[in-house]
Amino acid sequence: AQTVTQSQPEMSVQEAETVTLSCTYDTSENNYYLFWYKQPPSRQMILVIRQEAYKQQNATENRFSVNFQKAAKSFSLKISDSQLGDTAMYFCAYRRNNNDMRFGAGTRLTVKP
Amino acid sequence: GAVVSQHPSWVICKSGTSVKIECRSLDFQATTMFWYRQFPKQSLMLMATSNEGSKATYEQGVEKDKFLINHASLTLSTLTVTSAHPEDSSFYICSANEGSYEQYFGPGTRLTVT
Repeated sequence: AQTVTQSQPEMSVQEAETVTLSCTYDTSENNYYLFWYKQPPSRQMILVIRQEAYKQQNATENRFSVNFQKAAKSFSLKISDSQLGDTAMYFCAYRRNNNDMRFGAGTRLTVKP
Repeated sequence: GAVVSQHPSWVICKSGTSVKIECRSLDFQATTMFWYRQFPKQSLMLMATSNEGSKATYEQGVEKDKFLINHASLTLSTLTVTSAHPEDSSFYICSANEGSYEQYFGPGTRLTVT
């Protein structure tokens, strides 16, 4: 079974600084996809970044980047130059092919002014 | 980008009644739709997966007769909570997939059962 673990229930960071959110997962598959989603108070799920497991290069989207360690089954999210609008719940998710998505428990991130 | 809508966004119903939640893919055909449930301050828990024209596949522990899912077309899936009780109060989120690895999420429906 695929499981996703986020070991940090809450994190905080000062505005303009950098923060890293951790995520590990368990799978016996070789091909899969990993995602980070942001859920603000509106509760709309917003895709932050995605990583295809077959790609060795870490994905980057503006201020957001990941550190994907396939052998270690680790997928952390780094947010640079944190902004007040980054305050939200962040969920790490795993998906195999066209199957359903499995989510971690989430990390509540607070960006402090 | 692909858009998924949900209706209603918030519904209040009395205990014992049934309520239907709609999930629509607005600009693409959804081969598969997923229904999630999210309790306050918790993660999304998959309830069921539905494919157009076939019966939904429910996750272990989800009552099929209580949570009726119908995926009648490639753009519409419905979740009906039958004989709702206060413990069914939750936030329900649907997502849709067009055959790729991407899932597109609806804005969610808050259900309150009084």
